[in-house]
Amino acid sequence: AQKITQTQPGMFVQEKEAVTLDCTYDTSDQSYGLFWYKQPSSGEMIFLIYQGSYDEQNATEGRYSLNFQKARKSANLVISASQLGDSAMYFCAMREGPNTGFQKLVFGTGTRLLVSP
Amino acid sequence: GAVVSQHPSWVICKSGTSVKIECRSLDFQATTMFWYRQFPKQSLMLMATSNEGSKATYEQGVEKDKFLINHASLTLSTLTVTSAHPEDSSFYICSAQIDREEETQYFGPGTRLLVL
Repeated sequence: AQKITQTQPGMFVQEKEAVTLDCTYDTSDQSYGLFWYKQPSSGEMIFLIYQGSYDEQNATEGRYSLNFQKARKSANLVISASQLGDSAMYFCAMREGPNTGFQKLVFGTGTRLLVSP
Repeated sequence: GAVVSQHPSWVICKSGTSVKIECRSLDFQATTMFWYRQFPKQSLMLMATSNEGSKATYEQGVEKDKFLINHASLTLSTLTVTSAHPEDSSFYICSAQIDREEETQYFGPGTRLLVL
């Protein structure tokens, strides 16, 4: 079964508008971590934002915010005021279990975002 | 901070040769690094967890003898694709975690491997 599901293979948004990229996850653990990474065409993976399962407030990092709905098991990424440079692949990832050390991430299939002028 | 480099950025080789990819943490020490593989238009799949001074932990289905991992120091892990074949052509990317508390993984720029 998919641990991380990103149902939007591609999204379009106009410059300066906000866009939401969906991510749902599946875990039976009480403690887990959720991440969003951006992958431009160059291939590097750029960390954007992190949300811990026990964090009561939604994480925010500049123009990025994570809409964390624990009961629905969703962790959607919201990008406000889109810029042309935001065009890239976006991956949602999860670390399962308590953070007791160095643990692997499971990635979703990604969403390609295209920002138009 | 938290910069991870990879070398080479891309490599083309003949079938049957071995290719070594280096992953370095430039401004921090990483006792653990991770190696991922990504096929075109697909997600990242973890291949193995590289532990400094000990054997790597491989994911199910990943051939240990095919993908040799050596984590010789706190800032360097290497992945060697032995006797490479065209099906090994892929994008290989490593990541490192600063410490146990800071759980974000920082990724290198990746290595594109093309085996002819």
